[in-house]
Amino acid sequence: DAGVIQSPRHEVTEMGQEVTLRCKPISGHDYLFWYRQTMMRGLELLIYFNNNVPIDDSGMPEDRFSAKMPNASFSTLKIQPSEPRDSAVYFCASSPGRAGITDTQYFGPGTRLTVL
Amino acid sequence: QQQVKQSPQSLIVQKGGISIINCAYENTAFDYFPWYQQFPGKGPALLIAIRPDVSEKKEGRFTISFNKSAKQFSLHIMDSQPGDSATYFCAANYGGNEKLTFGTGTRLTIIP
Repeated sequence: DAGVIQSPRHEVTEMGQEVTLRCKPISGHDYLFWYRQTMMRGLELLIYFNNNVPIDDSGMPEDRFSAKMPNASFSTLKIQPSEPRDSAVYFCASSPGRAGITDTQYFGPGTRLTVL
Repeated sequence: QQQVKQSPQSLIVQKGGISIINCAYENTAFDYFPWYQQFPGKGPALLIAIRPDVSEKKEGRFTISFNKSAKQFSLHIMDSQPGDSATYFCAANYGGNEKLTFGTGTRLTIIP
């Protein structure tokens, strides 16, 4: 398997623009996670899905952020409108999700977002 | 109560030495403690994990020590090598809950 795939790898945009980050999880994994990493705040969980259903979005910073998972092989994280403070590396991760066992999360390579 | 506190923030160790990174938690319901390793430009990857039914787990040069009464766990890297230079994150969760609580990370540098 190719692992978790994220696109784009780098994104530079101007304040106010819409940004869409994409993720393809590992085939067969039931859980998908979106994280944000910054120097100041470390690694933060934004939202996670189980079988394409959002389970916990308490980490989503504000209404400008939204995430969808229309099918088992694709998820998006959208920021509209983007702001300079959204600049960070965004990671997608997936895990198999065996019942009653906390499973390894497999992270993608990340998308480095810069909002000017 | 959901926090996992990690220290130090950065660590420099000579090649061949022992690197030690510490984490502390408050939530006594936590029952799974993984360590993730992240190289520059890459996503974190699971390094080693422990459950509280054992006090130590060793995989090669990497060892987790777990102290349930003190609510602390640590990562020891024996015979540290330049290739170990990376950022290390401890994490915790409970009851098969897939949501991990991560520590703030330790940037480890191994010097020749």
